Amino acid sequence: AQKVTQAQTEISVVEKEDVTLDCVYETRDTTYYLFWYKQPPSGELVFLIRRNSFDEQNEISGRYSWNFQKSTSSFNFTITASQVVDSAVYFCALSEAYNAGGTSYGKLTFGQGTILTVHP
Amino acid sequence: NAGVTQTPKFQVLKTGQSMTLQCAQDMNHNSMYWYRQDPGMGLRLIYYSASEGTTDKGEVPNGYNVSRLNKREFSLRLESAAPSQTSVYFCATCRREGQDTQYFGPGTRLTVL
Repeated sequence: AQKVTQAQTEISVVEKEDVTLDCVYETRDTTYYLFWYKQPPSGELVFLIRRNSFDEQNEISGRYSWNFQKSTSSFNFTITASQVVDSAVYFCALSEAYNAGGTSYGKLTFGQGTILTVHP
Repeated sequence: NAGVTQTPKFQVLKTGQSMTLQCAQDMNHNSMYWYRQDPGMGLRLIYYSASEGTTDKGEVPNGYNVSRLNKREFSLRLESAAPSQTSVYFCATCRREGQDTQYFGPGTRLTVL
């Protein structure tokens, strides 16, 4: 069964600090997809990134960067020069391309989330 | 385009009452999902529909039923609400299950007294 662990329940930083959110996953599939979502205080879930298991290149998007390491089953998320608007709950999620029966399933397994608070 | 819409935004029920949560998408996606979010537990899948006319159980289906009315709409019904069903409910949609990104509606906050 697939599992996602976000060991950091809460992180508190001061504006302009860099912060890394950890995500460790477990899966028996060789083909899978990893996601990060942001949930601001308003409550909606905002998609940030999707990465497939065959693409281990790190990705940078503005102040956001992601480090995918299959060897350690980790998909960590770094915010550089954090801002107050980055305060939110961040979820890492895993989707297996196929379930045990061989048919596409698509179930997203979420981690418990990391609450990030950025103080001015 | 509205993307994924959910109604109502908030609802308070008494134990034993029934209600239906509505979800609609204008993204022309095939797959639709219902999740619940409880504090400290992330999101858990209740039911999903891979395509129009099909539905299947997720991780926590007990106490719920679903209907995939057409390609656009996927409803979640609580027949006899219980306090344990107090949660925030999210609908999501995806073009191709298993591979593509799931996009979420704004959520419905349900309280069962």
